[in-house]
Amino acid sequence: GAGVSQSPRYKVAKRGQDVALRCDPISGHVSLFWYQQALGQGPEFLTYFQNEAQLDKSGLPSDRFFAERPEGSVSTLKIQRTQQEDSAVYLCASRPNNRDSRQFFGPGTRLTVL
Amino acid sequence: KNEVEQSPQNLTAQEGEFITINCSYSVGISALHWLQQHPGGGIVSLFMLSSGKKKHGRLIATINIQEKHSSLHITASHPRDSAVYICAVSGNQFYFGTGTSLTVIP
Repeated sequence: GAGVSQSPRYKVAKRGQDVALRCDPISGHVSLFWYQQALGQGPEFLTYFQNEAQLDKSGLPSDRFFAERPEGSVSTLKIQRTQQEDSAVYLCASRPNNRDSRQFFGPGTRLTVL
Repeated sequence: KNEVEQSPQNLTAQEGEFITINCSYSVGISALHWLQQHPGGGIVSLFMLSSGKKKHGRLIATINIQEKHSSLHITASHPRDSAVYICAVSGNQFYFGTGTSLTVIP
């Protein structure tokens, strides 16, 4: 079956440009997570959705970062006025439900801000 | 403050060697995960465990809840095992270690 997909896989943006990163979770998965992975580091939590509700956004580094999941399936992570320090791989993961701790990861979107 | 610590950070082994990667954590967890990430690739879940030991092929994962410690073992290592291995724990949030970069030389 289809796994978690993300698009685009690679994005190059000029500093100050807005970007939108898309995540298609596994169909029927209730929870969706966004992570940021800097080069050589482990992923860092950004935000978490249960269905359409954003239950935790404590990891978003600034108010330039915004995430939504309006219909409880596809999610978009938007970064406004990108800065060079935003360059990272942005990972999306979905989880079947709260009783199952497994997370299924997408391939990530590598964002490079010039 | 790192909720999850892994060691070593980098590991080079000869093909066929037995490999151990260690993970310690400091938060309460519901499960511990071992993940594999190939260069430029996505993350693949290897194990999820909350007690004892699990085995899949040449991979073995153990966890000691009292000591808040887990190990990932690879027997008869092969160059295709070269990847970054990440320990993560799930509780209120999902916390990741910084990963162990493994290179297996033929």
